[in-house]
Amino acid sequence: GNSVTQMEGPVTLSEEAFLTINCTYTATGYPSLFWYVQYPGEGLQLLLKATKADDKGSNKGFEATYRKETTSFHLEKGSVQVSDSAVYFCALTNTGGFKTIFGAGTRLFVKA
Amino acid sequence: SAVISQKPSRDICQRGTSLTIQCQVDSQVTMMFWYRQQPGQSLTLIATANQGSEATYESGFVIDKFPISRPNLTFSTLTVSNMSPEDSSIYLCSVDRELSTDTQYFGPGTRLTVL
Repeated sequence: GNSVTQMEGPVTLSEEAFLTINCTYTATGYPSLFWYVQYPGEGLQLLLKATKADDKGSNKGFEATYRKETTSFHLEKGSVQVSDSAVYFCALTNTGGFKTIFGAGTRLFVKA
Repeated sequence: SAVISQKPSRDICQRGTSLTIQCQVDSQVTMMFWYRQQPGQSLTLIATANQGSEATYESGFVIDKFPISRPNLTFSTLTVSNMSPEDSSIYLCSVDRELSTDTQYFGPGTRLTVL
């Protein structure tokens, strides 16, 4: 079946540090891949997405590249800010389907 | 995108009671989804609600415990029935606004605590 595996958190970084949150997936067909972010006390927001192999999604300085050969979609940001502190969820939806499969989430703390 | 509101935003309930959560979308959508996020956990899909038909429940969730209504294309309710402390979670409503890209949009969630 379809599944998403994320690196466990929490991840604690100092401001301006480089961020990587690993995400790998298992899916049949050609899934679309997503990163969602959940700020404290809020619902989920779409951060970025990629719909086919080698696509790069980007938003607010975050990037992730759809790597079919390694079934990965790692989230990166070159310089994190305190305001990036949140829980990040990697997710996929499979071809023709509307059900989204979420990873366990990775909590990020950024210290000033 | 879609703007989604939920009521209530949070509640504290007694064991054995029921709570109905409302979800309102600012535009018509075909599919609405209800998720549960238990403390420190990821999201688990409870059911998919389509207007004019019964909701489709995921494995482990049943209609008697989580009855859902979908009276029109902008509104849905989820009831958590006969609650126990294990039902303490955040309940999130979601819609599939862009069918071509499978992108989902989420409401702010309802934080439920059962004593």
